[in-house]
Amino acid sequence: SQTIHQWPATLVQPVGSPLSLECTVEGTSNPNLYWYRQAAGRGLQLLFYSVGIGQISSEVPQNLSASRPQDRQFILSSKKLLLSDSGFYLCAAGGDPAGGYTFGSGTRLTVV
Amino acid sequence: GENVEQHPSTLSVQEGDSAVIKCTYSDSASNYFPWYKQELGKRPQLIIDIRSNVGEKKDQRIAVTLNKTAKHFSLHITETQPEDSAVYFCAAMDGGTSYGKLTFGQGTILTVHP
Repeated sequence: SQTIHQWPATLVQPVGSPLSLECTVEGTSNPNLYWYRQAAGRGLQLLFYSVGIGQISSEVPQNLSASRPQDRQFILSSKKLLLSDSGFYLCAAGGDPAGGYTFGSGTRLTVV
Repeated sequence: GENVEQHPSTLSVQEGDSAVIKCTYSDSASNYFPWYKQELGKRPQLIIDIRSNVGEKKDQRIAVTLNKTAKHFSLHITETQPEDSAVYFCAAMDGGTSYGKLTFGQGTILTVHP
């Protein structure tokens, strides 16, 4: 089975500062990887997904970017955070019809 | 793209009662429908799923039904317990590509009163 490591668990950042959230996957190779954001404890919004190294697809125009430098590493970044970037960010692996997603433990980001 | 609607947004039941949460989806190509339970501050956890070639699936107190013609699926929890209190999400997977994207409903806050 696969395990998702996501850090940090919580983060408080000032408006205009940069962001880097990292997610790594164990127990599988060439997984589909996803970044979701959850605002106010409800509704998961897909931000980015990747089906392979260097392959990133964006679902929603925003202040964020993603990269996949290695097969099992997925990074979410921003050059300048906005207040509206606050939320609970979840990394997920899977998307294989043989099984569902596995989520990381999430990062709660507060932009102040 | 896929659109998933989930109802109700909140559900309050007494311990021992049944709870039903319903979802509809828009893309007839969707072929995989998981349900997740999320406790406060935690990650979503898969509790049951169903594929488009099956009409019903049961796992102890939890069951899911799927009506492909009507494009809706439901979660049924019987003999509810206080520890079932959480936010529940339905989702539908894009069956038209290999990307495996899940579109989630907006969630149902279930409260089970002792």
